[in-house]
Amino acid sequence: EAQVTQNPRYLITVTGKKLTVTCSQNMNHEYMSWYRQDPGLGLRQIYYSMNVEVTDKGDVPEGYKVSRKEKRNFPLILESPSPNQTSLYFCASSLNRANYGYTFGSGTRLTVV
Amino acid sequence: AQKVTQAQTEISVVEKEDVTLDCVYETRDTTYYLFWYKQPPSGELVFLIRRNSFDEQNEISGRYSWNFQKSTSSFNFTITASQVVDSAVYFCALSSLRRETSGSRLTFGEGTQLTVNP
Repeated sequence: EAQVTQNPRYLITVTGKKLTVTCSQNMNHEYMSWYRQDPGLGLRQIYYSMNVEVTDKGDVPEGYKVSRKEKRNFPLILESPSPNQTSLYFCASSLNRANYGYTFGSGTRLTVV
Repeated sequence: AQKVTQAQTEISVVEKEDVTLDCVYETRDTTYYLFWYKQPPSGELVFLIRRNSFDEQNEISGRYSWNFQKSTSSFNFTITASQVVDSAVYFCALSSLRRETSGSRLTFGEGTQLTVNP
């Protein structure tokens, strides 16, 4: 089944403790992206990647890192999480560009206390 | 810069009523794509439709229909004979082909929470 897989689905952590949210797609898509969803703000892009080793900042990149060493994986790294990063995170992939529409993962609900 | 506005934060209807969700967008690009996504209570994002800026034909899919009007920069979504299972947050989104980097970004509206009561 074609899908984007994120892990974990739920995570509670403490301020400052480094964490990684994994994302993997099995559709051989070039484009991958991370979004965060907050009430009243919709979804905002954190980082995106156009291909292996090619990444760039989205609208809200502060406090996040990403890497794209393989085409299928696009992990999101929070080096020192803070409470304002409590949010619902989505990974997404697209065949070529976002114009084709993204396929989204199931989401990761992160709480930083 | 591009922007999507969904002015209706919440809508509540009774089952079998028709309901229209509004979406207004801003972009300086002549080539762009518009999308609607559904987010049910379970939280996942479900793709509903994609429309490019050169295709202004309205589309119908079962109880769903979309009205794209370039003149008013709107891409509204209508659910006919709504059902309880339609209760969800609905997002309108925009992507453009202006630049290589722009093409990678979907700009979302704030979302409209639709509640369909039995």
